[in-house]
Amino acid sequence: EDQVTQSPEALRLQEGESSSLNCSYTVSGLRGLFWYRQDPGKGPEFLFTLYSAGEEKEKERLKATLTKKESFLHITAPKPEDSATYLCAVITSSNTGKLIFGQGTTLQVKP
Amino acid sequence: GAVVSQHPSWVICKSGTSVKIECRSLDFQATTMFWYRQFPKQSLMLMATSNEGSKATYEQGVEKDKFLINHASLTLSTLTVTSAHPEDSSFYICSARTGASQETQYFGPGTRLLVL
Repeated sequence: EDQVTQSPEALRLQEGESSSLNCSYTVSGLRGLFWYRQDPGKGPEFLFTLYSAGEEKEKERLKATLTKKESFLHITAPKPEDSATYLCAVITSSNTGKLIFGQGTTLQVKP
Repeated sequence: GAVVSQHPSWVICKSGTSVKIECRSLDFQATTMFWYRQFPKQSLMLMATSNEGSKATYEQGVEKDKFLINHASLTLSTLTVTSAHPEDSSFYICSARTGASQETQYFGPGTRLLVL
């Protein structure tokens, strides 16, 4: 069964304290891995799509990387406005374009 | 680009009434749209996949007759919750893909439904 697991569930950082969020997956043929940011009471906001191991993408203080078993979302020198829930999702070769989501990591950045 | 809107953002209704939620792709044509449901502190749960001009495909356990989905055009999909009950209260979110070969889904802002 295809599965996506995110860790930690919650993360508290001081402003400027860099860290990484993990998304590990067990799937039958990865077609794509996606990172989203979700603020309370809002829909997910697209961040990155990664397709193959070794791929990296960056956007401001965020950098996403992908290996054959997991993805990391690195947050460099975070600011309070980076506080949100970060969702990881995958599409596999067997699930016809449906996103399989992890449970998310809730990040709180304190000033 | 790739903006998806939903209307209404909030709806409160009485038990037994029907509620329609609209999902629109504002700057692209979406051949496929998806409807999700999210409970507090939980991740998104896919309810159904909607393809323009054809019947929606529902996930296991989702009642087709309760959650009616219509994808009448390339920019509009609607979800109607029929005979709503308090247990249908939830956060409903739609998403859309920009093209058949594009895997990335862009999400709407969500609709909060409260059934009294």
